[in-house]
Amino acid sequence: EAQVTQNPRYLITVTGKKLTVTCSQNMNHEYMSWYRQDPGLGLRQIYYSMNVEVTDKGDVPEGYKVSRKEKRNFPLILESPSPNQTSLYFCASGLAGVTGELFFGEGSRLTVL
Amino acid sequence: RKEVEQDPGPFNVPEGATVAFNCTYSNSASQSFFWYRQDCRKEPKLLMSVYSSGNEDGRFTAQLNRASQYISLLIRDSKLSDSATYLCVVRYISNFGNEKLTFGTGTRLTIIP
Repeated sequence: EAQVTQNPRYLITVTGKKLTVTCSQNMNHEYMSWYRQDPGLGLRQIYYSMNVEVTDKGDVPEGYKVSRKEKRNFPLILESPSPNQTSLYFCASGLAGVTGELFFGEGSRLTVL
Repeated sequence: RKEVEQDPGPFNVPEGATVAFNCTYSNSASQSFFWYRQDCRKEPKLLMSVYSSGNEDGRFTAQLNRASQYISLLIRDSKLSDSATYLCVVRYISNFGNEKLTFGTGTRLTIIP
């Protein structure tokens, strides 16, 4: 089954404790992206990747890091989480430059205390 | 001005009615347009692409007006299952091949029995 898998789905952590949210897709997509969704602000892009070893900042990259060492994986790293990073995070993948259809993971709800 | 703007609603519509909402975008060089649907606490999913000539998929009709820089979504004979948040998405590809998808904040629709 074609899917995008994120883990963990729910996480409560404390300020400053490094964490990684993993994202994996099995559709051989070149394009992958991370979004955060907050009430009234919609989906905002954090980072995206056009292919392996190619990553770029989105609209709200501060406080986040990503890597794309393999085509299928695109982890999101919060080196020192802060309460303003409490949010619902979505990973998505798609065929770059061909269609605009993105396939989203089920989301990861992160709370930073 | 926001890159993509939508009326957040909520739109409360009786079952069987027709409902329409618009979305405006600011970048006149945007190439592609989409409507996504997001159910409560779920990931967004592609509803339909929006073509220059307008397109229809069952009870759903999407229109694009490039001159006025807006897209619209019309839902006829609304069903209870149409209750969701509808996200307008605009796609832009730069001369360097970087792809950007910008999401609106969404329009919340509730169909009332």
